[in-house]
Amino acid sequence: DAKTTQPNSMESNEEEPVHLPCNHSTISGTDYIHWYRQLPSQGPEYVIHGLTSNVNNRMASLAIAEDRKSSTLILHRATLRDAAVYYCILSPSADGLTFGKGTHLIIQP
Amino acid sequence: GAVVSQHPSRVICKSGTSVKIECRSLDFQATTMFWYRQFPKQSLMLMATSNEGSKATYEQGVEKDKFLINHASLTLSTLTVTSAHPEDSSFYICSAKRSYEQYFGPGTRLTVT
Repeated sequence: DAKTTQPNSMESNEEEPVHLPCNHSTISGTDYIHWYRQLPSQGPEYVIHGLTSNVNNRMASLAIAEDRKSSTLILHRATLRDAAVYYCILSPSADGLTFGKGTHLIIQP
Repeated sequence: GAVVSQHPSRVICKSGTSVKIECRSLDFQATTMFWYRQFPKQSLMLMATSNEGSKATYEQGVEKDKFLINHASLTLSTLTVTSAHPEDSSFYICSAKRSYEQYFGPGTRLTVT
């Protein structure tokens, strides 16, 4: 899987939007951009995925740069339950995923 | 989202014994399931890919004779850690693939004493 770069940690306030960046300059044409998150002592949770166009679902939005070399996961209104490690992963499918270190999101009340 | 369960959630066993972990896809049929391992303060590492009705595919460095995987039905995959040793103590997590998404179980905390 191609490599992604994410900030180690980010901090945000409750009820404010959060923008989590991910750089993936070596992305291939067939790679989807997948986002998962993991709360402490739990299995990861699927958040969203996309290929070229921006995507929205009930959890978040995914904004993909036109050249696809970066993307941003947007949580529109963060809650304390959104505090987790967020992983940005590239894969042409959803087969065995390569998890990096992710971004540790801290939400302040 | 889909629901994947694991059993047991926590197990303690003595060194040299075997432990079986079950992973069930509760609301969809999963042709492909995965097993991951996560050590403290580290990220998930893929151990193997489990395909229903065929042999599992193991990642480099994962001993297939030590970590036995069986995927006998479209809703159940099992991981058996044979002759467990303290260094096998870890958080084992399974997932089931549906389309372009993986749905993960809650994990099994294995402690080998």
